[in-house]
Amino acid sequence: GAVVSQHPSRVICKSGTSVKIECRSLDFQATTMFWYRQFPKKSLMLMATSNEGSKATYEQGVEKDKFLINHASLTLSTLTVTSAHPEDSSFYICSASDRTFSGNTIYFGEGSWLTVV
Amino acid sequence: AQSVTQLDSQVPVFEEAPVELRCNYSSSVSVYLFWYVQYPNQGLQLLLKYLSGSTLVESINGFEAEFNKSQTSFHLRKPSVHISDTAEYFCAVSDLTDKLIFGTGTRLQVFP
Repeated sequence: GAVVSQHPSRVICKSGTSVKIECRSLDFQATTMFWYRQFPKKSLMLMATSNEGSKATYEQGVEKDKFLINHASLTLSTLTVTSAHPEDSSFYICSASDRTFSGNTIYFGEGSWLTVV
Repeated sequence: AQSVTQLDSQVPVFEEAPVELRCNYSSSVSVYLFWYVQYPNQGLQLLLKYLSGSTLVESINGFEAEFNKSQTSFHLRKPSVHISDTAEYFCAVSDLTDKLIFGTGTRLQVFP
């Protein structure tokens, strides 16, 4: 079963409103999670690194005031798209790493489709 | 900084034929390499990964990839594809952290 869960899987919101997407690690604690964005028929672009208990680290070109990331616990990171516009419509996906003594495995969530109308 | 190049945006192939999806990377440090598969309207699934050790890694569904350090490549191969292998395949590199840099993807289309 899924070890990283995202919610909602699909969301439609009106232009100008904000929408929150959750990313949860189900069976392990993740001090770091990552948020990616995938444009239609394009690759995944890393948006930011979500750090538990501290500020997120954003990649160049990503507006931190528009894409608010909060990592309040070891199992939950949230991405809030503020004042959404149609161009923010995209597939957003998170990842988290399950670190064990034998190495680490990166798991991806199922992704969240955001449509801004 | 790392980068990944997937030269083939689309690869059409007939069922039961062999296939190779190319991936080249660049990095100034040691890397981990990954192949992910994305079926239509779904998230990413790890297909296989190279961390260390044997340069040939295999997946449970018949795919394999070989890490070639001198050619900075990590091509994905399957000797006989099925219709169900139709999907988007992404090569990715990590600089020993959990942050992945993805290639642009290759659409594998298997025809009957």
